[in-house]
Amino acid sequence: GQQVMQIPQYQHVQEGEDFTTYCNSSTTLSNIQWYKQRPGGHPVFLIQLVKSGEVKKQKRLTFQFGEAKKNSSLHITATQTTDVGTYFCAPYGYSGAGSYQLTFGKGTKLSVIP
Amino acid sequence: SQTIHQWPATLVQPVGSPLSLECTVEGTSNPNLYWYRQAAGRGLQLLFYSVGIGQISSEVPQNLSASRPQDRQFILSSKKLLLSDSGFYLCAWGLAGGRSDTQYFGPGTRLTVL
Repeated sequence: GQQVMQIPQYQHVQEGEDFTTYCNSSTTLSNIQWYKQRPGGHPVFLIQLVKSGEVKKQKRLTFQFGEAKKNSSLHITATQTTDVGTYFCAPYGYSGAGSYQLTFGKGTKLSVIP
Repeated sequence: SQTIHQWPATLVQPVGSPLSLECTVEGTSNPNLYWYRQAAGRGLQLLFYSVGIGQISSEVPQNLSASRPQDRQFILSSKKLLLSDSGFYLCAWGLAGGRSDTQYFGPGTRLTVL
């Protein structure tokens, strides 16, 4: 089945510093999605990457999909306290059980020190 | 627009008691529906998903069950709760038939089993 590893598990940064989280899959993916969960809240969809080598930007957030479609990254430039939360990658691919599924990584918990 | 509701928001139950959590979706038809569990500080574990009324797929064997009695209603149940059932239960919906399967989460139910 599909396995996904997300690193780091935790990240503490000073406000204004950059932050990057990485997501690696053992299989080639159809696409990959990113979600953000604020403390005490529920995951919220951020973006979907479909094409090999794709790069998308949302203000200070930059999302990349690897050329081999097996890894992805989320980079935040000049973090702010509003960026606090857990960021999940969610690859969409063959589950090995006869279906395609979204599989959530364990997430990277970001803390921003003011 | 689509909305997803979950109730109750919080629940404290003794070990061995039954459980029923409800999720309803508005503004869409024939959605894919999902139940996830998130232990404290952990990632999202897919418990069940459904592609239609009465169609339930279980991802993790355990003492929980799910039912979909109506198109936009998804219920998570247990006959006897265990301490290990404590966690944050999230319901999500996605468009049927799509390859990307972006998921939209409800506000969640925080369950504490004592």
